[in-house]
Amino acid sequence: NAGVTQTPKFRVLKTGQSMTLLCAQDMNHEYMYWYRQDPGMGLRLIHYSVGEGTTAKGEVPDGYNVSRLKKQNFLLGLESAAPSQTSVYFCASVSRQGALGYTFGSGTRLTVV
Amino acid sequence: GQQLNQSPQSMFIQEGEDVSMNCTSSSIFNTWLWYKQEPGEGPVLLIALYKAGELTSNGRLTAQFGITRKDSFLNISASIPSDVGIYFCAGQNYGGSQGNLIFGKGTKLSVKP
Repeated sequence: NAGVTQTPKFRVLKTGQSMTLLCAQDMNHEYMYWYRQDPGMGLRLIHYSVGEGTTAKGEVPDGYNVSRLKKQNFLLGLESAAPSQTSVYFCASVSRQGALGYTFGSGTRLTVV
Repeated sequence: GQQLNQSPQSMFIQEGEDVSMNCTSSSIFNTWLWYKQEPGEGPVLLIALYKAGELTSNGRLTAQFGITRKDSFLNISASIPSDVGIYFCAGQNYGGSQGNLIFGKGTKLSVKP
């Protein structure tokens, strides 16, 4: 019963490098989300998906791209990392809109130097 | 977009004390939720509220959905060291992107044994 799994858990990037964060859920949830968490800022929505093959922008989408090729996976990409993208990234999923709360992964701590 | 004001930002209390925190919004929500985040983990749902005026308990936690639908309160009675963490409120509406959760910036709780 894994729930939502994020990989990697930690990563250090140099400015300009690219990387992909992977979120996998085994609950057959339709909706998936990527958030970033910064001190004093709470959780801010980057991108989300309402189903396989769909994606949409959230509150802070610039500098990120996403893909949902398979229902269980939601990928977050950074094409050219910047120090401002240093953050803790959380993935979440929910079965349908309005369902009881989201299930979150345990986060990926990314540092861009 | 909608924003939530969560207060206080942080609290330092003695074990055994009661805790109160609240969340206000300039617009109404259909659902209010309260999450707890422990260090190194993702947020976990504590309580969900679906009706204006609703009062719901989960052990030592009690949350209320404000009558105006623009606010919510969380109380923790007789705090213990394992209550330490960041508590987030979240509001949710239904329909399109409005189904996405809007999070407060969190209340960081520290408990002295």
